[in-house]
Amino acid sequence: EVQLVETGGGLIQPGGSLRLSCAASGFTVSTNYMSWVRQAPGKGLEWVSVIYSGGSTYYADSVKGRFTISRDNSKNTLYLQMNSLRAEDTAVYYCARDRGITIFGVVLYYMDVWGKGTTVTVSS
Amino acid sequence: DIQMTQSPSSLSASVGDRVTITCRASQSITNYLNWYQQKPGKAPKLLIYAASSLQSGVPSRFSGSGSGTDFTLTISSLQPEDFATYYCQQSYSTPMYTFGQGTKLEIK
Repeated sequence: EVQLVETGGGLIQPGGSLRLSCAASGFTVSTNYMSWVRQAPGKGLEWVSVIYSGGSTYYADSVKGRFTISRDNSKNTLYLQMNSLRAEDTAVYYCARDRGITIFGVVLYYMDVWGKGTTVTVSS
Repeated sequence: DIQMTQSPSSLSASVGDRVTITCRASQSITNYLNWYQQKPGKAPKLLIYAASSLQSGVPSRFSGSGSGTDFTLTISSLQPEDFATYYCQQSYSTPMYTFGQGTKLEIK
């Protein structure tokens, strides 16, 4: 069964650091694009970061320079290192698999597998 | 940045109704548009990708259409399990995905 399980959330003080993990089963993380998406309490979905199968990484402006996405191929696990946390980073964090479909030679991506999420609360 | 605007923000409907949700992009995104359903306390679930392709396992009462800047998600006959929040998402400006603000579908 294809599955993603996030762990590592918790209560952290402003300015602190936290590392989220996303363990995959049923497929290989390193051969897929993998994203982190977050949802603040009562708000909509916000894309946070993606790591490509080739290793390139990209970030939303709101987290650039503070968050780092990475993966451990031997553990088939995705990570999100979050530093200099702010109150506005409080959210449920989801990891997701990005799938691509080629239409007329161009690739369109969509998130077809999601974890259940892990909650990060930044508060003093 | 490409902005995605959904309408309405909330909607009340009855079981059996036909419902349409609209998503508008701030610039043309051809067909790079996906739809997700999210129930309270749960992760989003992919419904439609590439504007009109139904994800495997999703009931055929869900359909998507549109191209360029204007898109719609239609539920042909609402079922009790369809009451949820729906999000559109553009993947034209990969990797900088953006989501719409969501449409909450409630029971009338």
